[in-house]
Order: sequence, then C-alpha cells, then structure tokens
Amino acid sequence: DAGVIQSPRHEVTEMGQEVTLRCKPISGHNSLFWYRQTMMRGLELLIYFNNNVPIDDSGMPEDRFSAKMPNASFSTLKIQPSEPRDSAVYFCASRPLLVTGELFFGEGSRLTVL
Amino acid sequence: TQLLEQSPQFLSIQEGENLTVYCNSSSVFSSLQWYRQEPGEGPVLLVTVVTGGEVKKLKRLTFQFGDARKDSSLHITAAQPGDTGLYLCAGANRDDKIIFGKGTRLHILP
Repeated sequence: DAGVIQSPRHEVTEMGQEVTLRCKPISGHNSLFWYRQTMMRGLELLIYFNNNVPIDDSGMPEDRFSAKMPNASFSTLKIQPSEPRDSAVYFCASRPLLVTGELFFGEGSRLTVL
Repeated sequence: TQLLEQSPQFLSIQEGENLTVYCNSSSVFSSLQWYRQEPGEGPVLLVTVVTGGEVKKLKRLTFQFGDARKDSSLHITAAQPGDTGLYLCAGANRDDKIIFGKGTRLHILP
C-alpha cells in the first residue's frame, strides 16, 4: 500500500510568490495533519482535519497561510505571499480516527524562499 | 498552550553505553508517543503509551509514561550506531490534537 504522498519534494521560490504544497493521505485514514519543521522551532502543528473538516488551525502562522481538504484523498497548504522565514520542511501526516492512533508521515516538502 | 520539553537536545555517546532521554510537560496527555526520524524522512512511530505508569519495551528500548501522564522517558541499553537519529515525543489531548517536542538528536559513536 502507498504511504502518505507529498509533492513537491523540493521547492525553491522567490519572496512574494505563491506556494502550494499537496498531500494525499493513506486511504481510509480520517485525520490529516500539517506540520512544519525547522531546527529552531522543531515540529510545529499548523492545522489538522477530521473527516475533511478543519478542527484546529491555531498553529497557522498568519493569514498568508491557508489549508483545504476538499475530499478524503487530497489536501493543500498554500502560502501567499511567501517570505524567507517560511523556509522549512512541511510534513503531512494521516491516521485513523483513534486518539491513540499512529501518525503516518509523508517524506516532506522542503521549501526554500529566497 | 501545551508544550513538551525534551532533554537533552543533543547526546553523543560511545557504542555500548546506556542512555536516557526525557520528555516533560506541565499538561496531562491522553496518550504519548515516541517517534524516530532519520535525515530526509518523516518521523516513524516507535511506541504509544496510554496508562499512567505504563512501561513498554521494544528490544533494547524501554519507554515509561509518568504516573500523572505528564512526562515520559526513553531508555536505551547498550546503544548501537543504528540507534543514531532524532527522537521525538508527541502528546495527544482529548481533542486529537498531537503536538511534538523539539526532539533529542542522538549520535552513537562506533
């Protein structure tokens, strides 16, 4: 079975440009999480969805960030306009709807904003 | 705001030695997980602990959840170079929100 699939794996863009990161969760998983990882701040939770509904977006840094989950098999994280401080590895993870369920991570999207 | 503090941040020891890393919080969690992450990859689950005082063993790794469900420890016996990596603890609350500590970066010298 395929794991969580993220694209692109790497993105280099210039400040001010729009960035869209994509995630395909594991089929049958009800919860989807977006995290951002940097050396300084570690793995930060940005937003998570249960059954395609956003539950908590308090970790989204500011209005430049938005996330959608139009159906159970696809989610996007968009940054518009991007800034150099957004440079990080962005991870998507999915899991069954169980409090103790394992998070399955994608390989991440490494974003560099120049 | 719930926070998980991990210590130490970095640890470099010789092969064969024992070590313990810690995960502490002032908040109570429904469950706590430990993940290991290697460069260029996403974290991978090692264990989930749910009950206060619970101890789980995974070969040379021993995980303990504090009685009050606010802290946890990971003990590695006879560390090997293959144990090198970033160890992350993650706490889940009643709303399914899962937050991570910053991790302990472990390096085992051959």
